[in-house]
Amino acid sequence: EPEVTQTPSHQVTQMGQEVILRCVPISNHLYFYWYRQILGQKVEFLVSFYNNEISEKSEIFDDQFSVERPDGSNFTLKIRSTKLEDSAMYFCASRPSRGTTYEQYFGPGTRLTVT
Amino acid sequence: AQSVTQLGSHVSVSEGALVLLRCNYSSSVPPYLFWYVQYPNQGLQLLLKYTTGATLVKGINGFEAEFKKSETSFHLTKPSAHMSDAAEYFCAVSERGNNRLAFGKGNQVVVIP
Repeated sequence: EPEVTQTPSHQVTQMGQEVILRCVPISNHLYFYWYRQILGQKVEFLVSFYNNEISEKSEIFDDQFSVERPDGSNFTLKIRSTKLEDSAMYFCASRPSRGTTYEQYFGPGTRLTVT
Repeated sequence: AQSVTQLGSHVSVSEGALVLLRCNYSSSVPPYLFWYVQYPNQGLQLLLKYTTGATLVKGINGFEAEFKKSETSFHLTKPSAHMSDAAEYFCAVSERGNNRLAFGKGNQVVVIP
């Protein structure tokens, strides 16, 4: 069964460094998402991406964050200058085309630790 | 904006007993509702969903949930817990026409032999 994959599973970085989290969505899906979960808190929406542009973003997704689909398979989340409070589990998700019932398929997550 | 409330972060249930996880939502428009399960070191897996039609929906692994509009609830149940049900369970809501999912805090289910 097709699945969303994410790499790396765990990333440790120093404050102020740039990180790139990578995701490979399910191949025929057209909508892509990033969510994060800070330890002990809710899973929070960051951004959605469709047709090579951001379709929606939350207030968390500030200028430090960017997303890109550099080729036909990868979907990346970049954090330009990491802060301690960026430490969280980051989930990628994807969804098929319009006309579906908004069911999103999630990857296993990348645990980001900022020291 | 939509939101979800799940009370009780940890839920202990005896093997063979009823599993009941409560979810209440708020939404300004008719919602889509979801339950996801997360096993250790894995992604969020869809258990079941409500979109339209029958308000009692059945999912994988013997779980079911009932949408009650008057109570703004979507509680998850399973008649008889198995050891394999130990996992974290998340309720989520999506407003029609809105891209994002809003999640509850999750329930960590522990099954006691």
